[in-house]
Amino acid sequence: GENVEQHPSTLSVQEGDSAVIKCTYSDSASNYFPWYKQELGKRPQLIIDIRSNVGEKKDQRIAVTLNKTAKHFSLHITETQPEDSAVYFCAASIGGGFGNEKLTFGTGTRLTIIP
Amino acid sequence: GAVVSQHPSRVICKSGTSVKIECRSLDFQATTMFWYRQFPKQSLMLMATSNEGSKATYEQGVEKDKFLINHASLTLSTLTVTSAHPEDSSFYICSASEGSEAFFGQGTRLTVV
Repeated sequence: GENVEQHPSTLSVQEGDSAVIKCTYSDSASNYFPWYKQELGKRPQLIIDIRSNVGEKKDQRIAVTLNKTAKHFSLHITETQPEDSAVYFCAASIGGGFGNEKLTFGTGTRLTIIP
Repeated sequence: GAVVSQHPSRVICKSGTSVKIECRSLDFQATTMFWYRQFPKQSLMLMATSNEGSKATYEQGVEKDKFLINHASLTLSTLTVTSAHPEDSSFYICSASEGSEAFFGQGTRLTVV
């Protein structure tokens, strides 16, 4: 089955700096890669996703890049703010992102923004 | 966005008893729901896929007789932890998709004493 690895497990960055979280996946059939943000005590929420037919997607301060050949994808957060502090999970699926995805999650990254 | 509601948010039970957790899609229908387990500071591990009107599909290593799943309607899936033991203490969370996006319930923290 799919195996998703995520690094680093913890990350501290100064407010205003950029943060990068990386994930690798094992199943070359995976074609949908969402990223979730989980604040303390709250449910995970989708922040951005990418499908295998594109290499990069951006939404304001958040971007995701995908390298299908190397089987890795990354989350980039620019101009970080204190409210970006949370645990971030990457995930992978072979479902294409059309719904009812069986997601395999990475191990999570605890991001702390230092004011 | 769509809302997935999970109940209860916290439950404490004695060893040997059973606990039922409900997952509801409030404003959309979900033929499929997913149940995850999350240990402290760890990732979400998929336990099973709940299918409306048919048997759930369990992931390898998950005991189907211990974690009973029922998906009797298009808006409700239940997870029953039977004969709970302290090692079952964990955070259980469900999800359902509306369109292409997965939405999560708020989770249930189960403590077995």
